[in-house]
Amino acid sequence: DAMVIQNPRYQVTQFGKPVTLSCSQTLNHNVMYWYQQKSSQAPKLLFHYYDKDFNNEADTPDNFQSRRPNTSFCFLDIRSPGLGDAAMYLCATSRDGTGALNTEAFFGQGTRLTVV
Amino acid sequence: GDSVTQMEGPVTLSEEAFLTINCTYTATGYPSLFWYVQYPGEGLQLLLKATKADDKGSNKGFEATYRKETTSFHLEKGSVQVSDSAVYFCALSDPIKAAGNKLTFGGGTRVLVKP
Repeated sequence: DAMVIQNPRYQVTQFGKPVTLSCSQTLNHNVMYWYQQKSSQAPKLLFHYYDKDFNNEADTPDNFQSRRPNTSFCFLDIRSPGLGDAAMYLCATSRDGTGALNTEAFFGQGTRLTVV
Repeated sequence: GDSVTQMEGPVTLSEEAFLTINCTYTATGYPSLFWYVQYPGEGLQLLLKATKADDKGSNKGFEATYRKETTSFHLEKGSVQVSDSAVYFCALSDPIKAAGNKLTFGGGTRVLVKP
């Protein structure tokens, strides 16, 4: 029944070593999002895809990249993780991103990233 | 820009107590409003939503009414359980945004229900 699946749930990476987090969805939603959530804070949007169109938030560091090879999958790449990048990373999807068709976002369970 | 303000926690209360979490917003358009709940170590789950003024969202005993005149969307539950212990996020999405149904979140309110 899982609709937005994130793998792995927990990821430990070394300082400076590239790491990739993955997200898949069975909802066939055209919008996919990546959020960063640090402890006891609200999720912060990093970027989103509307179909294949990539939309980066202005304050997202260059260290964070994303790929969406098809509708179902989206990846978050952190090129050189620093200690400050340790966080929960949340993937979400929604059906439509424009106009008055505001539907809720469906979130995965998140990947908790630890940088050592 | 859009913003959401919700009461800071933690909120600690006893089982069967009444819960209210205040949420107010500012938005340039006519937003949809949401409450999400996050249990420890988990992602966010939609609790309820409202898409227009005077709509009442409800789920699992929780309710919130979209009040355009006061730009508020307060969350209430009449009798909480220990299992309601979680962090609650108020959020909005603004239809005039050009692309992406982006959510603007409040800071979250941690609720702890004691037996």
